[in-house]
Amino acid sequence: QVQLVQSGAEVKKPGASVKVSCKASGYTFTDFDINWVRRGTGQGLEWMGWMNPNTGDTGYAQKFRGRVIMTRDTSASTAYMELSSLTSDDTAVYFCARNPPRTGDFDSWGQGTLVSVSS
Amino acid sequence: QAVLTQPPSLSASPGASASLTCTLRSDINVAFYSIHWLQQKPGSPPQWLLRYKSDSDNRQNSGIPSRFSGSKDASANAGILLISGLQSEDEAEYYCMIWENNAWVFGGGTKLTVL
Repeated sequence: QVQLVQSGAEVKKPGASVKVSCKASGYTFTDFDINWVRRGTGQGLEWMGWMNPNTGDTGYAQKFRGRVIMTRDTSASTAYMELSSLTSDDTAVYFCARNPPRTGDFDSWGQGTLVSVSS
Repeated sequence: QAVLTQPPSLSASPGASASLTCTLRSDINVAFYSIHWLQQKPGSPPQWLLRYKSDSDNRQNSGIPSRFSGSKDASANAGILLISGLQSEDEAEYYCMIWENNAWVFGGGTKLTVL
């Protein structure tokens, strides 16, 4: 069955960077885009960006441009999201989700990765 | 003004129907958009339920019961998620989403209480 398994929780200091992984199984990794969505404490869902694992093409939400990088390792069927210059406002659960290209059908999600930013 | 506006909360009784609205900003015409709906329960990732653009252009995620359906209210410039035959397990937060200006945009979410 389709699965997206994310890396474990992280605790970071302000100003640091974090890299979250999302390992796909049960389907052809390069056939679906990977999106990243986060949810801060007491907040709603927030889209961060997308990546096409086949081409490496990416698109980032304006809020995160310059601070986020989405990459992949096709040999490992794994997508990565790296967020830099962390502040306490980045404390959130980060999710990866797959979708057929050019759709918003986020039909499978990772379990989420808690990133805590605290001095 | 936010791109998508959802009421923060809604309560309904078991067995009843609940109509969750997602109002688009006035300069965005709902007729041109697919409205996506997602459900999130505490401690779980979101689940994509369905998308609705028109009666001939819509899709439901596999495993989502047919009592979840989408529609639009053009006069209100809004997308609607209708949940019929409410069950206690439907208690969750519901988010709408559209593709706008090269980005996926979420509404603020509606917390549905079934009591």
